[in-house]
Amino acid sequence: QVQLVQSGAEVKMPGASVKVSCKASGYTFRDYYIHWVRQAPGQRPEWLGWIDPSGGGTKYAQMFQGRVSLTRDTSITTAYMELSSLRSDDTAIYYCTREDGHSGKFDYWGQGTLVPVSS
Amino acid sequence: QSALTQPASVSGSPGQSITISCTGISSDVVTYNFVSWYQQHPGKAPKLMIYEVSNRPSGVSYRFSGSKSGNTASLTISGLQAEDEADYYCSSPLYNSWVFGGGTKLTV
Repeated sequence: QVQLVQSGAEVKMPGASVKVSCKASGYTFRDYYIHWVRQAPGQRPEWLGWIDPSGGGTKYAQMFQGRVSLTRDTSITTAYMELSSLRSDDTAIYYCTREDGHSGKFDYWGQGTLVPVSS
Repeated sequence: QSALTQPASVSGSPGQSITISCTGISSDVVTYNFVSWYQQHPGKAPKLMIYEVSNRPSGVSYRFSGSKSGNTASLTISGLQAEDEADYYCSSPLYNSWVFGGGTKLTV
């Protein structure tokens, strides 16, 4: 069965960086884009970007340009999201999700990774 | 101002039907037939309920249906059950990115 398993919670100081992993299994990793979405407490989900595991191509949301980096390691079917220059308003649960096709069909989600940013 | 507007809350009794709307702020949003709907229970990841406006993934109850008229998409849940109580979010593409509505809390 399809599974996306994310790394555990990480507490960060303002100005630091965080790197979250997303281990995919149960399907052909290269065949589906991986998107990253975050959700601050009580807020709507917010899209950060996607990565094409096949060629490594990426697309980032404009508001995160320059601060977010999406990468992948096909040998271990794992995608990564790194966010730098963290601020308190980056405190959120970060999710990876698989897109089936290119119509926003996010059919499988990781369990989420909580990243509190606090001094 | 959000690109996708949803009512903050909606409620219904068991067995009833409810509809949640998702209105695009401009003609560029919700124009394409790429609207999706997600259900989220507290402390859980979102779950896909409807994609491409009206398609239901396998395993999702037939009680969930989607539609679109102009720049407004809608999610209808018929035969409400207690387990349907959750937050619901619509999503749509916008200028090479993806946006989510503000969410609607369904109380059964």
